[in-house]
Amino acid sequence: GDSVTQMEGPVTLSEEAFLTINCTYTATGYPSLFWYVQYPGEGLQLLLKATKADDKGSNKGFEATYRKETTSFHLEKGSVQVSDSAVYFCALCVRGSYIPTFGRGTSLIVHP
Amino acid sequence: GAGVSQSPRYKVTKRGQDVALRCDPISGHVSLYWYRQALGQGPEFLTYFNYEAQQDKSGLPNDRFSAERPEGSISTLTIQRTEQRDSAMYRCASSLSQGGDYGYTFGSGTRLTVV
Repeated sequence: GDSVTQMEGPVTLSEEAFLTINCTYTATGYPSLFWYVQYPGEGLQLLLKATKADDKGSNKGFEATYRKETTSFHLEKGSVQVSDSAVYFCALCVRGSYIPTFGRGTSLIVHP
Repeated sequence: GAGVSQSPRYKVTKRGQDVALRCDPISGHVSLYWYRQALGQGPEFLTYFNYEAQQDKSGLPNDRFSAERPEGSISTLTIQRTEQRDSAMYRCASSLSQGGDYGYTFGSGTRLTVV
C-alpha cells in the first residue's frame, strides 16, 4: 500500500539555522506530494505541493523537490524563525485514489 | 465560511453513550474527509464524501462508526456505544475538488474523551 516515512522528531534548531526534514514515500501509483504544517491548537494547513517529478513546491521560504528516482520529498528552509515552530506532515495522494496518506509528523522547535 | 468549522471543540462522554461530531466545510468545497489523529501520529483516514455521496468508508474501524452528508455540505460523524479506545482527535478536511490537487483544508478538530 501507500505509505510516507518522515524523520523522527523533535528537530531542535536555533533561529536562522538551515532546516531539512526528510520524507520518503512508497506509492502504488503516480502520487502528488504535499507538506502540511500544524501550529499548536490548529488544524493542518497546506504548506506546499508538487504534482510531478522534478517539480519544486515552495511557500513562505520553504521548498521541497519531487524526486522520483529516490522517492523523496524533503522539506528545506534556509533560515528558520521561532514562528516556524510547529509539526510538519508529509503526505501523498495517488492519482485516482482521492485518499491522501499522511506521515507521522515531525515536530520542529526553533529557539531564539 | 472562511474555514472548516468543527463542533464541539471538546467532548467528554461516558462509555456506552453515542456521540455526534459535526463538520461544516468551506463553502463550495465538494469533497469532505474525516480523519482520526492519535497523539504524536499523522491523520488516519476514516471516510470521505464527494458532494453528498459517501465514496469510501474503508477506514471506519467498525460498524459503530457512521457518517453522513445529506445535502452535500455539513457532515456528521456518529459513534455509537462509545468505548475508551475511541478517544482521539477527530479532524474534518475539505477540498475544492476530488483528488485533492488543490490540497485539503483541515478544521481544528474535536477532541473526544471517553471515560
